Formats: sequence, C-alpha cells, structure tokens
Amino acid sequence: GAGVSQSPSNKVTEKGKDVELRCDPISGHTALYWYRQRLGQGLEFLIYFQGNSAPDKSGLPSDRFSAERTGESVSTLTIQRTQQEDSAVYLCASSRISTGDQPQHFGDGTRLSIL
Amino acid sequence: GQQVMQIPQYQHVQEGEDFTTYCNSSTTLSNIQWYKQRPGGHPVFLIQLVKSGEVKKQKRLTFQFGEAKKNSSLHITATQTTDVGTYFCAGSFNAGGTSYGKLTFGQGTILTVHP
Repeated sequence: GAGVSQSPSNKVTEKGKDVELRCDPISGHTALYWYRQRLGQGLEFLIYFQGNSAPDKSGLPSDRFSAERTGESVSTLTIQRTQQEDSAVYLCASSRISTGDQPQHFGDGTRLSIL
Repeated sequence: GQQVMQIPQYQHVQEGEDFTTYCNSSTTLSNIQWYKQRPGGHPVFLIQLVKSGEVKKQKRLTFQFGEAKKNSSLHITATQTTDVGTYFCAGSFNAGGTSYGKLTFGQGTILTVHP
C-alpha cells in the first residue's frame, strides 16, 4: 500500500520481556517519527530520523527504549525489560523531508499491552 | 522545553452547535499544523498555517494563526456527528538545533457531538 505500515498491530507480552515494533514509511519519505499515545492522551514524541543524520532521541523516556533506521527505509523501536507503564499505542509517522513544515503521515499504530 | 498548550481538553456539544479549540505557545512558532484523530484511528493531517494572521477554511472548519504566531484556533460551525474525534494542533519552532523538523503536539481536544 501507499501508507505507513506498522507491525504488529497488537502485542501482548509479559512484564520484563523485550518487544520490537516495526514501521515501514511511505516510499521516498526521508523523515520518520515515533510517538507514544497513552489511552485518552496526546502524542508523546519519542524519536525522529532524518535521512542519514544523527537521530533526535530527546524524547526517549529511558535507556530501555531504542530505535534504529537503516537509510530511508524500515525503522524498529525496541523496548527492553518492558514495564506496565509502557502499555500504550506506539505510532509511527513519516514525512517527505524533515523541515517541520511537511505533513506527517501516520500508521495505524501498535497497541502494546504489558501484563 | 518548548510546549504547545491546547484547551479545552474535552468538549461536548449538541449537533448543530459550534466548537472551538485553542492552542498557545510561549515561543514564536514557524508554522502550525492541525490533525484529526477519529476514535480508534490515527491522526490525519488537516491543514498547515504559516503566515502571521493567516486564516484558512475547509467547508465548516476555520483555522486561524495569530498575528504573533504564538496561538492558533480551529472553529467548526454547526457540528455534525461526523466531526467526533480528537483534534490536535502541532507546532514547529524555528529552524536550528535539535528541534528542527520536529513537531510539538498539543494535548488534543476530544470532541463529542450528541445527535
């Protein structure tokens, strides 16, 4: 499809396990963003990638969170030793370039539930 | 850090009534974007405002950007049940530094429309 694709759509795991979330941006989009959205809350910025530049990791809440992106393709967000407070929807977005004046196109998100 | 405050958090209206949500920043914005998130869905880009005092309309929706580029509003005339969802503003601050290219989202206004 032409949109941002995220997988899995739902993930249920036990506390303490590691999880890996995947985002496939729109082809040709050089900027990719990860957000966390808790139930009924706003979007919490986590990290963004722009081409081959160093990512802006300023929103990562702890060192248990990390993300990678190879070039302008797929990105993975990894959460190690998950905690119950990590339960949320993790949204990925991409934009054509990262100048702050381009619309962000969002995927459907991964709903993460930590038991 | 740079924040965008959005009010109200919730708004309940009867179908046919008007609705307005407001965003404010203590720092001048380069531009502001508005997104709509339907229940269970992901944020979808509505519009971007760039110029001081800019006003844009989309059918029953009117978007304004303040003269000082520190505030913005979204007004819906004669709401319909299809307007239900969460409306987010997202601001981009001046280019440069680590904030370049990053959008800062407001907390959103959850709109409920009673038929």
